[in-house]
Amino acid sequence: EAQVTQNPRYLITVTGKKLTVTCSQNMNHEYMSWYRQDPGLGLRQIYYSMNVEVTDKGDVPEGYKVSRKEKRNFPLILESPSPNQTSLYFCASSPGYNQPQHFGDGTRLSIL
Amino acid sequence: DAKTTQPNSMESNEEEPVHLPCNHSTISGTDYIHWYRQLPSQGPEYVIHGLTSNVNNRMASLAIAEDRKSSTLILHRATLRDAAVYYCILRLPWAGNNRKLIWGLGTSLAVNP
Repeated sequence: EAQVTQNPRYLITVTGKKLTVTCSQNMNHEYMSWYRQDPGLGLRQIYYSMNVEVTDKGDVPEGYKVSRKEKRNFPLILESPSPNQTSLYFCASSPGYNQPQHFGDGTRLSIL
Repeated sequence: DAKTTQPNSMESNEEEPVHLPCNHSTISGTDYIHWYRQLPSQGPEYVIHGLTSNVNNRMASLAIAEDRKSSTLILHRATLRDAAVYYCILRLPWAGNNRKLIWGLGTSLAVNP
């Protein structure tokens, strides 16, 4: 089954403790992206990747890092999480930039 | 930034057609119009997209105004499963365009049995 898998689905952690949210897709898609969704603000793009080793900032990249060493994986790294990064995060992938995106089920992060 | 305007909420009855409007008066000539929906507790799901001509797929139809300043997503027969938040977004066909990708808050569609 074609899917985008995010882990963990839920995480409660403390300020400053590095964490990684993994994202994996099994559709051989070139384009992958991370979003955060906050009440009243909608979905905002954090980072995206056009292909392996090609990443670029989205609209709200501060406090996040990404890497794309393999085509299927696109982890989101919070080196020093802060409470304002408490949010619902979605990973998405698509064959190319302007093509339909497939989204994961989301990761709810709470940073205390 | 390419912004879209949608009603906050709409209501429909099951098995009736639903027309979800979207205004995008600042659309550029190369913007594609994409529609996604988000069911409760799920990630967004692609519905349809188009550039100038009307588009149909198994989920919905997309009607694009001649001047492209507005579009309408048409669900031909609403079902309870169609209750979701529907997002209309504009997307340039190339990355690195330094333009914010604005999803907005969408239209929350309620479907009555």
